[in-house]
Amino acid sequence: IAGITQAPTSQILAAGRRMTLRCTQDMRHNAMYWYRQDLGLGLRLIHYSNTAGTTGKGEVPDGYSVSRANTDDFPLTLASAVPSQTSVYFCASSESSDSVIQYFGAGTRLSVL
Amino acid sequence: GQNIDQPTEMTATEGAIVQINCTYQTSGFNGLFWYQQHAGEAPTFLSYNVLDGLEEKGRFSSFLSRSKGYSYLLLKELQMKDSASYLCAVKDSNYQLIWGAGTKLIIKP
Repeated sequence: IAGITQAPTSQILAAGRRMTLRCTQDMRHNAMYWYRQDLGLGLRLIHYSNTAGTTGKGEVPDGYSVSRANTDDFPLTLASAVPSQTSVYFCASSESSDSVIQYFGAGTRLSVL
Repeated sequence: GQNIDQPTEMTATEGAIVQINCTYQTSGFNGLFWYQQHAGEAPTFLSYNVLDGLEEKGRFSSFLSRSKGYSYLLLKELQMKDSASYLCAVKDSNYQLIWGAGTKLIIKP
């Protein structure tokens, strides 16, 4: 089934640890995105990539890094996790950066203690 | 700054009609989007408006007034499965989506 796969589904992490959230899509979409969703707040863009080999910073990039080595994969890394990074993380993709529809993965629920 | 406002929560009765409002202030405008998100799940696309007026798609309709910075999502013949959060988002001048916090819609029998 075509779509976006995120892993892990959920994770509890000690503060200060490094963590990589994985995102893979099989729709050959050029653009990919990482959002975080917190209660009472809208989805906030962390980083994005308009095409393989390029990345850009979103609204809340501090403490996060991404890479886009190929079209399918867009991992998000927390170099040294802090409790304020406790959130639900969604990966999304679209055919291009100006496409109408973004398709979302099922999300990763991360708790940093 | 950029801002998207929508009510936090609404309650409606099965079979009825409900209108969810969204007002926005953004740097540039390249379309307004509505997404549906069931609890614990991913957002899914519902509708898109870039020109003023009403877009109808089955039981759901979305309206846009660019001059007023205003949109609404109209849900008709409500069903229990429509219980979800409805997210309003605007694509800004950088083609990035700015999201509202979402409206939780509770449907009662």
